Amino acid sequence: GENVEQHPSTLSVQEGDSAVIKCTYSDSASNYFPWYKQELGKGPQLIIDIRSNVGEKKDQRIAVTLNKTAKHFSLHITETQPEDSAVYFCAASKATGFQKLVFGTGTRLLVSP
Amino acid sequence: SAVISQKPSRDICQRGTSLTIQCQVDSQVTMMFWYRQQPGQSLTLIATANQGSEATYESGFVIDKFPISRPNLTFSTLTVSNMSPEDSSIYLCSVVVDMDIQYFGAGTRLSVL
Repeated sequence: GENVEQHPSTLSVQEGDSAVIKCTYSDSASNYFPWYKQELGKGPQLIIDIRSNVGEKKDQRIAVTLNKTAKHFSLHITETQPEDSAVYFCAASKATGFQKLVFGTGTRLLVSP
Repeated sequence: SAVISQKPSRDICQRGTSLTIQCQVDSQVTMMFWYRQQPGQSLTLIATANQGSEATYESGFVIDKFPISRPNLTFSTLTVSNMSPEDSSIYLCSVVVDMDIQYFGAGTRLSVL
């Protein structure tokens, strides 16, 4: 089955810096890759997603890139702010109809003012 | 998107007892899911809640321990039975909207003494 690895497990940056979180997946049939942000005491919130027919997607300060050949995808956050501090999860699925989401292990991002 | 309400938001229970968690969605959805998130860990799918039929459980989860009901397209319950301290986790329900986009509730934080 699918396996998703996520790095780093923790990431500390200064406000205004960029942050990059990387994930690799094992199943070449996976074609849907969402990213979730989980703040303390809350459920995961979808922040951006990408499908395998696209190489990059941007939404304001957040971008996701996908390399299908290497089977890895990354989350890029620019101009980080303290409110970006949270745990970020990547996930992968074979989005034909609905297929189970397999989550990465999470990255705790701390943005210091 | 979807608005998902979970009750209770948190609970402290004695070992050997059972807790039923409710999940209410503001629109009719075909697919609802239950996840477990152990302290500091990623999300693990427990089961798919099917309307009008028995839930589909993932490997390692059984109906006797985690019975699920899905009486209609907007509501589901998960019961954690005969609890032990190892069941202390966050339990999350989620729904699929717009083909494969998955949204999560805020979760139920369970502590078992």
